[in-house]
Amino acid sequence: DTEVTQTPKHLVMGMTNKKSLKCEQHMGHRAMYWYKQKAKKPPELMFVYSYEKLSINESVPSRFSPECPNSSLLNLHLHALQPEDSALYLCASSRSTGSTGELFFGEGSRLTVL
Amino acid sequence: QKEVEQNSGPLSVPEGAIASLNCTYSDRGSQSFFWYRQYSGKSPELIMFIYSNGDKEDGRFTAQLNKASQYVSLLIRDSQPSDSATYLCAVGAGYSSASKIIFGSGTRLSIRP
Repeated sequence: DTEVTQTPKHLVMGMTNKKSLKCEQHMGHRAMYWYKQKAKKPPELMFVYSYEKLSINESVPSRFSPECPNSSLLNLHLHALQPEDSALYLCASSRSTGSTGELFFGEGSRLTVL
Repeated sequence: QKEVEQNSGPLSVPEGAIASLNCTYSDRGSQSFFWYRQYSGKSPELIMFIYSNGDKEDGRFTAQLNKASQYVSLLIRDSQPSDSATYLCAVGAGYSSASKIIFGSGTRLSIRP
């Protein structure tokens, strides 16, 4: 079982809706990530939080808004999405110093935008 | 654009044989290298990481790194049907606390009984 928990597992929303994806880890990791993955494509980095501060934003449209309320939680707020935003959204975490890239992924939230 | 390249496959290997997966990367400053396994419909799972030139073995898996050639590979010995999955090569820029991890497009491996 993964130690990174994502909710909901599936989400269907209209283009005018506002929804949020949630991610939680209790491994004491201090870096947390959001990735987007389309079918048969690799994960694409969206955001990185390090010690609860946004450290990397890969020029993601503002309709995606990340939030890190504390060291264990990571949210992704969604608003006015487009059908092409339908994808698997993966949350991941890693230990901080000296262990970059050893990512622990959650099971993902599969998003469908109608 | 920094890139990580893999042959998309599918790579078909008979059960019990050695599967060899390859990856090249463009950023000479890359310091950390990873192999993730992803089953269909599931999230990626880290199976190997390597930071120094040479070989690193863990059970049936061996990761090989050649920084001069900008090449990293994964060998799977005694391949099992359960090894059938997509294998993602990932490359990190350094040892900072939250660096960019770039994934290759993945190689689909199929182990035939």
